Amino acid sequence: SQTIHQWPATLVQPVGSPLSLECTVEGTSNPNLYWYRQAAGRGLQLLFYSVGIGQISSEVPQNLSASRPQDRQFILSSKKLLLSDSGFYLCAWNLEAPTEAFFGQGTRLTVV
Amino acid sequence: DAKTTQPPSMDCAEGRAANLPCNHSTISGNEYVYWYRQIHSQGPQYIIHGLKNNETNEMASLIITEDRKSSTLILPHATLRDTAVYYCIVRLNTGNQFYFGTGTSLTVIP
Repeated sequence: SQTIHQWPATLVQPVGSPLSLECTVEGTSNPNLYWYRQAAGRGLQLLFYSVGIGQISSEVPQNLSASRPQDRQFILSSKKLLLSDSGFYLCAWNLEAPTEAFFGQGTRLTVV
Repeated sequence: DAKTTQPPSMDCAEGRAANLPCNHSTISGNEYVYWYRQIHSQGPQYIIHGLKNNETNEMASLIITEDRKSSTLILPHATLRDTAVYYCIVRLNTGNQFYFGTGTSLTVIP
């Protein structure tokens, strides 16, 4: 069966520090991968998605970047965190439409 | 961008059916309707999806109007564990992205 792993579960980082969140998927090949962010009390905002290794599409301009170095690995990064980067970050995967997407359990990032 | 409109909140008595509406008046013929729910501080959970016909699974039923401009998610016997935010999403059958709106916060009352 397919599983998605996302870590760490919680993270507290100072302003200006770098960020690296990792997501891996097991049990499938060539998945579509996604990063979402959820600010406190808000809905989910799609940040990045990838349909293959090295292929990244950005949905909104921001202080973050994404990379896909391997087929089932998706990384969210920042060189210098801002206070506004705080939020709940979710990784997800799916196969071609109309299959549903499966979400990880999220990372709660607090920038202080 | 989200293409759906949902009420911000609803209450439902435990054991009763919860009917969650969603408007998607600009839906096109090749777009599916998906429902997810999110329990606080967890990742969203897939519930059900459909194109034209009504759908039922072990979790819920999805009723799509004939003109496809709205749909209703039905939880037949709501329990306290069904308290969550429910998201209705439309998605192209050729596209990969899911765009979430603000959803409906459902509270099941004992």
